[in-house]
Amino acid sequence: GDSVTQMEGPVTLSEEAFLTINCTYTATGYPSLFWYVQYPGEGLQLLLKATKADDKGSNKGFEATYRKETTSFHLEKGSVQVSDSAVYFCALHGSSNTGKLIFGQGTTLQVKP
Amino acid sequence: ETGVTQTPRHLVMGMTNKKSLKCEQHLGHNAMYWYKQSAKKPLELMFVYSLEERVENNSVPSRFSPECPNSSHLFLHLHTLQPEDSALYLCASSQGHTFGELFFGEGSRLTVL
Repeated sequence: GDSVTQMEGPVTLSEEAFLTINCTYTATGYPSLFWYVQYPGEGLQLLLKATKADDKGSNKGFEATYRKETTSFHLEKGSVQVSDSAVYFCALHGSSNTGKLIFGQGTTLQVKP
Repeated sequence: ETGVTQTPRHLVMGMTNKKSLKCEQHLGHNAMYWYKQSAKKPLELMFVYSLEERVENNSVPSRFSPECPNSSHLFLHLHTLQPEDSALYLCASSQGHTFGELFFGEGSRLTVL
């Protein structure tokens, strides 16, 4: 079945460092891919998405490119801030006609001043 | 109010109690979801409602009973829970249940004693 694998955290960075959080997926067909973020004490928020191969999703300085050849959707940001400290979830929505969004286990990011 | 609202935010209950979690969405969406978020585990989809009909039930124990009286409200009735049911329960909504872009509430933190 469909699945998402994220790099294990926690990831600890200094402010202004470069961020990469790896995400790879297994799916049949052509899934849509998402990154959600969960700030402390809050629910998940959609951060960015890509619906087809080679699409780049971007928001708030974060980017991720849908790479079908490597089945990856890595999240990147050039310069992180303390306010980016959160849990980041990679997710996919399969091309089958169901409502199931498959999540990775989440990666905790802590940014220190 | 806007977005997805969940009440209560925190709930402590004994194993013999009956309680309910409530979710309300103000986004005009027609699909609603319950997810369970436990420590160090991926988010688990519990139930999906589309146009007030249950379209997915992921082998959830019968001690969890969902109710969707209209497209704006979703309940999760809890009865004779176990300590391992302690988790953050997240409600989400979407327009249609086939596109994967979900809007989450802040969650109800449940502790079963």
